Amino acid sequence: EAQVTQNPRYLITVTGKKLTVTCSQNMNHEYMSWYRQDPGLGLRQIYYSMNVEVTDKGDVPEGYKVSRKEKRNFPLILESPSPNQTSLYFCASSPGPRLWEAQYFGPGTRLTVL
Amino acid sequence: EDQVTQSPEALRLQEGESSSLNCSYTVSGLRGLFWYRQDPGKGPEFLFTLYSAGEEKEKERLKATLTKKESFLHITAPKPEDSATYLCAVQAASNYQLIWGAGTKLIIKP
Repeated sequence: EAQVTQNPRYLITVTGKKLTVTCSQNMNHEYMSWYRQDPGLGLRQIYYSMNVEVTDKGDVPEGYKVSRKEKRNFPLILESPSPNQTSLYFCASSPGPRLWEAQYFGPGTRLTVL
Repeated sequence: EDQVTQSPEALRLQEGESSSLNCSYTVSGLRGLFWYRQDPGKGPEFLFTLYSAGEEKEKERLKATLTKKESFLHITAPKPEDSATYLCAVQAASNYQLIWGAGTKLIIKP
């Protein structure tokens, strides 16, 4: 089944404790992206990647890191989480050739930082 | 500043009552406009891409249209399963970033 998977789905952590949210897609898509979704603010893009080893900042990259060492994986790293990073996070992938054409979203990761 | 505004914030309709959702945008050149559907607790699901004014796309009871300033998502004879939040996103020609609207929550009552 074609899908984007994220792990974990739910995470409660404390301020300053490094964490990684994994994202994997099995559709051989070129483009991948991370979003956060907050009530009243909608979806905001954190980082995106147009190819292996090619990443760029979205609207709200502060406090986040990403890497794209393999085409299928695009982990999101929070080096020192803070309470304002409590949010619902989505990973997405799209096949191209046009950027952002038909993005497939993962099921989401609900993160709470205490 | 590039901006996307969706209206109304919420819309309640009776089953079979057709209506339209609006997505207005101000960007420096449009590269593409995208519609998604999001069910509670799930990731958004892609519906349509529109690239130029005058373009229309259809899928079942949904039809998306695009002008130079806005897009409409027309819902014809909706059913309760069409209840969801509908999201609009725009890519400006000047960069690669996507700008998302806050969404319209659609509720279809049987």
